Amino acid sequence: AQTVTQSQPEMSVQEAETVTLSCTYDTSENNYYLFWYKQPPSRQMILVIRQEAYKQQNATENRFSVNFQKAAKSFSLKISDSQLGDTAMYFCAFRVDQGAQKLVFGQGTRLTINP
Amino acid sequence: GAVVSQHPSWVICKSGTSVKIECRSLDFQATTMFWYRQFPKQSLMLMATSNEGSKATYEQGVEKDKFLINHASLTLSTLTVTSAHPEDSSFYICSAGETGGWNQPQHFGDGTRLSIL
Repeated sequence: AQTVTQSQPEMSVQEAETVTLSCTYDTSENNYYLFWYKQPPSRQMILVIRQEAYKQQNATENRFSVNFQKAAKSFSLKISDSQLGDTAMYFCAFRVDQGAQKLVFGQGTRLTINP
Repeated sequence: GAVVSQHPSWVICKSGTSVKIECRSLDFQATTMFWYRQFPKQSLMLMATSNEGSKATYEQGVEKDKFLINHASLTLSTLTVTSAHPEDSSFYICSAGETGGWNQPQHFGDGTRLSIL
Protein backbone atom coordinates (compact mmCIF):
# COMPACT_ATOMS: atom_id res chain seq x y z
CA ALA A 1 0.00 0.00 0.00
CA GLN A 2 1.11 3.52 -0.68
CA THR A 3 1.58 6.05 2.09
CA VAL A 4 2.26 9.77 2.04
CA THR A 5 3.82 11.62 4.98
CA GLN A 6 3.93 15.33 5.63
CA SER A 7 6.00 15.91 8.73
CA GLN A 8 5.22 19.59 9.20
CA PRO A 9 1.72 20.11 10.65
CA GLU A 10 2.07 23.90 10.61
CA MET A 11 4.38 26.49 9.12
CA SER A 12 4.42 30.24 9.21
CA VAL A 13 6.49 32.75 7.21
CA GLN A 14 6.50 36.43 6.41
CA GLU A 15 5.12 37.72 3.15
CA ALA A 16 7.64 37.66 0.28
CA GLU A 17 9.75 34.98 1.94
CA THR A 18 10.40 31.56 0.45
CA VAL A 19 9.02 28.49 2.16
CA THR A 20 9.50 24.79 1.55
CA LEU A 21 6.96 22.13 2.48
CA SER A 22 8.20 18.58 2.79
CA CYS A 23 6.57 15.36 1.66
CA THR A 24 7.79 11.79 1.57
CA TYR A 25 6.02 8.75 0.22
CA ASP A 26 6.38 5.03 0.14
CA THR A 27 5.56 2.82 -2.81
CA SER A 28 6.83 -0.17 -4.71
CA GLU A 29 5.45 1.19 -7.97
CA ASN A 30 7.73 2.64 -10.62
CA ASN A 31 5.20 4.71 -12.54
CA TYR A 32 3.12 7.19 -10.61
CA TYR A 33 2.14 10.82 -10.22
CA LEU A 34 2.67 13.23 -7.38
CA PHE A 35 0.60 16.30 -6.67
CA TRP A 36 0.42 19.26 -4.37
CA TYR A 37 -3.09 20.54 -3.62
CA LYS A 38 -4.00 23.72 -1.83
CA GLN A 39 -7.11 23.98 0.33
CA PRO A 40 -7.89 27.57 1.42
CA PRO A 41 -10.49 28.35 4.08
CA SER A 42 -13.19 27.99 1.42
CA ARG A 43 -12.21 24.28 1.46
CA GLN A 44 -12.02 24.07 -2.30
CA MET A 45 -9.26 21.72 -3.46
CA ILE A 46 -6.97 23.51 -5.90
CA LEU A 47 -4.24 21.76 -7.83
CA VAL A 48 -0.95 23.61 -7.36
CA ILE A 49 1.51 21.45 -9.24
CA ARG A 50 2.07 17.89 -10.37
CA GLN A 51 5.03 15.68 -11.24
CA GLU A 52 5.24 12.54 -13.32
CA ALA A 53 7.63 10.03 -11.76
CA TYR A 54 9.22 9.19 -15.09
CA LYS A 55 10.31 12.80 -15.60
CA GLN A 56 13.60 13.77 -14.03
CA GLN A 57 13.05 17.47 -14.48
CA ASN A 58 11.37 19.17 -11.54
CA ALA A 59 7.99 20.72 -12.29
CA THR A 60 7.57 24.48 -12.02
CA GLU A 61 4.44 26.64 -12.04
CA ASN A 62 5.22 30.33 -11.65
CA ARG A 63 6.17 30.82 -7.97
CA PHE A 64 5.71 27.14 -7.17
CA SER A 65 8.33 24.50 -7.82
CA VAL A 66 9.08 21.03 -6.58
CA ASN A 67 12.19 19.13 -5.62
CA PHE A 68 11.50 15.58 -6.71
CA GLN A 69 13.99 13.01 -5.45
CA LYS A 70 12.74 9.65 -6.71
CA ALA A 71 15.37 7.50 -5.03
CA ALA A 72 14.72 9.16 -1.70
CA LYS A 73 10.95 9.17 -2.34
CA SER A 74 10.79 12.82 -1.51
CA PHE A 75 8.61 15.50 -3.10
CA SER A 76 8.93 18.93 -1.51
CA LEU A 77 7.12 22.09 -2.58
CA LYS A 78 8.87 25.45 -2.68
CA ILE A 79 6.83 28.64 -2.71
CA SER A 80 8.84 31.70 -3.70
CA ASP A 81 7.86 35.29 -2.96
CA SER A 82 5.03 34.08 -0.76
CA GLN A 83 1.78 36.02 -0.79
CA LEU A 84 -1.04 36.41 1.70
CA GLY A 85 -3.27 34.41 -0.64
CA ASP A 86 -0.99 31.44 -0.25
CA THR A 87 -2.33 30.91 3.25
CA ALA A 88 -4.01 27.50 3.17
CA MET A 89 -3.72 23.82 3.96
CA TYR A 90 -1.37 22.09 1.56
CA PHE A 91 -1.74 18.41 0.80
CA CYS A 92 0.77 16.21 -0.94
CA ALA A 93 -0.87 13.39 -2.90
CA PHE A 94 0.19 10.25 -4.74
CA ARG A 95 -1.48 8.33 -7.53
CA VAL A 96 -0.37 5.18 -9.29
CA ASP A 97 -0.35 5.07 -13.08
CA GLN A 98 -2.84 2.26 -13.37
CA GLY A 99 -5.93 0.75 -11.84
CA ALA A 100 -8.47 2.91 -10.07
CA GLN A 101 -6.09 5.87 -10.00
CA LYS A 102 -7.25 6.93 -6.57
CA LEU A 103 -5.33 9.60 -4.73
CA VAL A 104 -3.57 8.98 -1.45
CA PHE A 105 -3.18 12.15 0.59
CA GLY A 106 -0.70 13.20 3.23
CA GLN A 107 -1.82 14.64 6.54
CA GLY A 108 -1.47 18.20 5.33
CA THR A 109 0.56 21.26 6.30
CA ARG A 110 -1.18 24.40 7.47
CA LEU A 111 0.74 27.32 5.97
CA THR A 112 0.23 30.85 7.21
CA ILE A 113 1.69 33.84 5.40
CA ASN A 114 2.01 36.81 7.73
CA PRO A 115 1.90 40.42 6.50
CA GLY B 1 -11.14 23.82 -17.69
CA ALA B 2 -12.96 20.77 -16.40
CA VAL B 3 -15.55 21.53 -13.73
CA VAL B 4 -17.08 19.29 -11.10
CA SER B 5 -20.27 20.54 -9.50
CA GLN B 6 -21.30 19.25 -6.09
CA HIS B 7 -24.66 19.86 -4.43
CA PRO B 8 -25.77 20.77 -1.90
CA SER B 9 -22.92 22.80 -0.45
CA TRP B 10 -24.38 22.71 3.03
CA VAL B 11 -27.13 20.65 4.59
CA ILE B 12 -28.48 20.52 8.12
CA CYS B 13 -30.96 17.81 9.03
CA LYS B 14 -32.33 15.81 11.90
CA SER B 15 -30.94 12.51 13.05
CA GLY B 16 -32.45 9.59 11.19
CA THR B 17 -32.82 11.48 7.92
CA SER B 18 -31.26 10.22 4.71
CA VAL B 19 -29.25 12.79 2.76
CA LYS B 20 -28.28 12.65 -0.90
CA ILE B 21 -25.25 14.49 -2.28
CA GLU B 22 -24.76 14.89 -6.02
CA CYS B 23 -21.50 15.12 -7.93
CA ARG B 24 -21.64 16.13 -11.58
CA SER B 25 -18.95 16.53 -14.19
CA LEU B 26 -20.16 19.50 -16.22
CA ASP B 27 -18.03 19.44 -19.34
CA PHE B 28 -16.45 16.03 -19.44
CA GLN B 29 -17.33 12.40 -18.98
CA ALA B 30 -16.16 10.54 -15.92
CA THR B 31 -16.14 6.77 -15.78
CA THR B 32 -14.80 6.95 -12.27
CA MET B 33 -15.56 9.35 -9.45
CA PHE B 34 -14.25 9.37 -5.93
CA TRP B 35 -15.88 10.25 -2.64
CA TYR B 36 -13.84 11.61 0.27
CA ARG B 37 -14.63 12.53 3.83
CA GLN B 38 -12.74 15.22 5.70
CA PHE B 39 -12.91 15.92 9.42
CA PRO B 40 -11.91 19.36 10.73
CA LYS B 41 -8.20 20.07 10.41
CA GLN B 42 -7.57 16.63 8.95
CA SER B 43 -6.75 15.21 5.57
CA LEU B 44 -9.08 13.76 2.97
CA MET B 45 -9.99 10.16 3.56
CA LEU B 46 -11.11 8.16 0.54
CA MET B 47 -14.44 6.49 1.23
CA ALA B 48 -15.19 4.81 -2.08
CA THR B 49 -14.57 4.71 -5.79
CA SER B 50 -17.70 5.16 -7.86
CA ASN B 51 -17.76 3.27 -11.14
CA GLU B 52 -20.24 4.11 -13.88
CA GLY B 53 -22.61 1.23 -14.49
CA SER B 54 -21.25 -1.01 -11.76
CA LYS B 55 -20.97 -1.29 -8.01
CA ALA B 56 -18.84 1.11 -6.07
CA THR B 57 -15.62 -0.04 -4.45
CA TYR B 58 -15.53 0.85 -0.77
CA GLU B 59 -12.43 1.40 1.33
CA GLN B 60 -11.85 -0.73 4.35
CA GLY B 61 -13.96 0.33 7.30
CA VAL B 62 -16.56 2.23 5.26
CA GLU B 63 -20.08 0.86 5.65
CA LYS B 64 -21.54 0.32 2.21
CA ASP B 65 -25.06 0.11 3.57
CA LYS B 66 -24.60 3.41 5.33
CA PHE B 67 -23.07 5.28 2.42
CA LEU B 68 -24.90 4.31 -0.76
CA ILE B 69 -23.24 5.28 -4.01
CA ASN B 70 -24.89 5.34 -7.40
CA HIS B 71 -23.11 6.21 -10.64
CA ALA B 72 -25.83 5.87 -13.22
CA SER B 73 -24.32 8.03 -15.94
CA LEU B 74 -20.95 9.29 -17.11
CA THR B 75 -21.62 12.69 -15.58
CA LEU B 76 -23.36 11.97 -12.28
CA SER B 77 -22.54 10.13 -9.09
CA THR B 78 -24.58 10.35 -5.90
CA LEU B 79 -23.72 9.60 -2.30
CA THR B 80 -26.62 8.91 0.04
CA VAL B 81 -25.98 8.92 3.75
CA THR B 82 -28.74 6.68 5.07
CA SER B 83 -30.31 7.23 8.48
CA ALA B 84 -27.73 9.87 9.29
CA HIS B 85 -26.59 10.40 12.87
CA PRO B 86 -24.48 13.14 14.47
CA GLU B 87 -21.30 11.11 14.01
CA ASP B 88 -21.87 11.31 10.24
CA SER B 89 -21.47 15.06 10.37
CA SER B 90 -18.48 15.94 8.25
CA PHE B 91 -17.28 17.54 5.04
CA TYR B 92 -17.76 15.33 1.99
CA ILE B 93 -15.88 15.98 -1.27
CA CYS B 94 -16.13 14.28 -4.62
CA SER B 95 -13.64 14.23 -7.45
CA ALA B 96 -13.65 12.99 -11.01
CA GLY B 97 -11.11 12.16 -13.64
CA GLU B 98 -11.73 12.48 -17.35
CA THR B 99 -12.46 9.19 -19.08
CA GLY B 100 -9.35 8.18 -20.95
CA GLY B 101 -7.42 10.95 -19.27
CA TRP B 102 -5.29 8.64 -17.19
CA ASN B 103 -2.50 11.15 -17.09
CA GLN B 104 -4.72 14.07 -16.12
CA PRO B 105 -5.33 15.27 -12.57
CA GLN B 106 -8.63 14.78 -10.86
CA HIS B 107 -11.04 17.66 -10.56
CA PHE B 108 -12.71 18.30 -7.23
CA GLY B 109 -16.15 19.52 -6.32
CA ASP B 110 -16.49 22.30 -3.78
CA GLY B 111 -17.62 19.89 -1.07
CA THR B 112 -20.71 19.42 1.07
CA ARG B 113 -20.84 20.34 4.71
CA LEU B 114 -23.19 17.90 6.43
CA SER B 115 -24.49 18.67 9.90
CA ILE B 116 -26.74 16.16 11.65
CA LEU B 117 -28.62 17.48 14.67
